[in-house]
Amino acid sequence: AQSVTQLGSHVSVSEGALVLLRCNYSSSVPPYLFWYVQYPNQGLQLLLKYTTGATLVKGINGFEAEFKKSETSFHLTKPSAHMSDAAEYFCAVSDGTGGSYIPTFGRGTSLIVHP
Amino acid sequence: DAMVIQNPRYQVTQFGKPVTLSCSQTLNHNVMYWYQQKSSQAPKLLFHYYDKDFNNEADTPDNFQSRRPNTSFCFLDIRSPGLGDAAMYLCATSRDTGTPSYNEQFFGPGTRLTVL
Repeated sequence: AQSVTQLGSHVSVSEGALVLLRCNYSSSVPPYLFWYVQYPNQGLQLLLKYTTGATLVKGINGFEAEFKKSETSFHLTKPSAHMSDAAEYFCAVSDGTGGSYIPTFGRGTSLIVHP
Repeated sequence: DAMVIQNPRYQVTQFGKPVTLSCSQTLNHNVMYWYQQKSSQAPKLLFHYYDKDFNNEADTPDNFQSRRPNTSFCFLDIRSPGLGDAAMYLCATSRDTGTPSYNEQFFGPGTRLTVL
């Protein structure tokens, strides 16, 4: 069965600092991986996704993530945090278990950006 | 722009009073999902429709029902809301569920339900 673990329910950074949000997955087959962002009182918006091919995936708003099979990880990074990046971030995995590619979401990481 | 629309954005109901939340889409996607999201938690899938085929999650309470009268619209009915049902309800769509390249989900803005 697929599952996702997001380490750290809250991550706090200063504006301009590196953002690193951690995601580890469990899957018995090659997974498809997603990062979503949710701003307060809004729905989820896709930041980026990994399907196949290049393991470094670039997304919107300057975010990127690297699929590392050996570490079963898909960490999200951004070189320089902006105040507008403050939001909830969800990692998700789908692997076709039972013929369905409906993703399973992690519990989310709240990114706090200090001036 | 193609999108997923949810109405209302905020809904207040009384304990035990039935409530219906609405979702519509202009993406012409086959699949529509309903998620419940409580504060600081992951979205929890309640059920989804693939076209007219209804798929209920095993742990979704009977209190939650859904209707999809056509491709564009899907409704979430809560028959007797309890205090524990207060949450954000998210509607999402995707082109497919069984094809990895078509499983990307598109979310609406959500409806925040308050139960008094």
